[in-house]
Amino acid sequence: SQKIEQNSEALNIQEGKTATLTCNYTNYSPAYLQWYRQDPGRGPVFLLLIRENEKEKRKERLKVTFDTTLKQSLFHITASQPADSATYLCALDDNAGNMLTFGGGTRLMVKP
Amino acid sequence: KAGVTQTPRYLIKTRGQQVTLSCSPISGHRSVSWYQQTPGQGLQFLFEYFSETQRNKGNFPGRFSGRQFSNSRSEMNVSTLELGDSALYLCASSLFLAGGPLEETQYFGPGTRLLVL
Repeated sequence: SQKIEQNSEALNIQEGKTATLTCNYTNYSPAYLQWYRQDPGRGPVFLLLIRENEKEKRKERLKVTFDTTLKQSLFHITASQPADSATYLCALDDNAGNMLTFGGGTRLMVKP
Repeated sequence: KAGVTQTPRYLIKTRGQQVTLSCSPISGHRSVSWYQQTPGQGLQFLFEYFSETQRNKGNFPGRFSGRQFSNSRSEMNVSTLELGDSALYLCASSLFLAGGPLEETQYFGPGTRLLVL
């Protein structure tokens, strides 16, 4: 069966360090992968999209990698700040149209 | 541009009742998707509408239904509510580019928090 796995345990890091979040998937052949940020009580906010033929994408302090052989995406936040504390979700398309399947999310806590 | 709006923001119902939630997409967005988010199951896809037609449907019972109007506004309905339907219901809109790649950013609304007692 199809599965998207993110570390369900919270990730605690010190301010200024690089946070690395993992998204692993099985039985998917996604054309693209997206990362979202969700704060408590709010809807997810789009951060980055990476296509299957792209290895890496950057946006300011964010970097995403996509390894279709390993079936894994890594999401990095460099020089992390307490304001980066949130839950981060990865999402894959299922090649069936405009339908996204989300991972369970990883909660990031950046301590000052 | 105004973001995705959802009404109501909070709702309390009792088992057996039905509920209708409303979503107004970003102006110009023609695709509207609905998701259910619970602590146990995470964010799960319900259905997606484009040009008043349901294009995709997730694995939910027939008690969950939706529709889209000609102005792209969408409603979802849940009949015969069960305790397990308590969740945050999120609506997301996206700009569908005809003939273009299918990957589209989803813009989420703030959600409707439904509590079934």
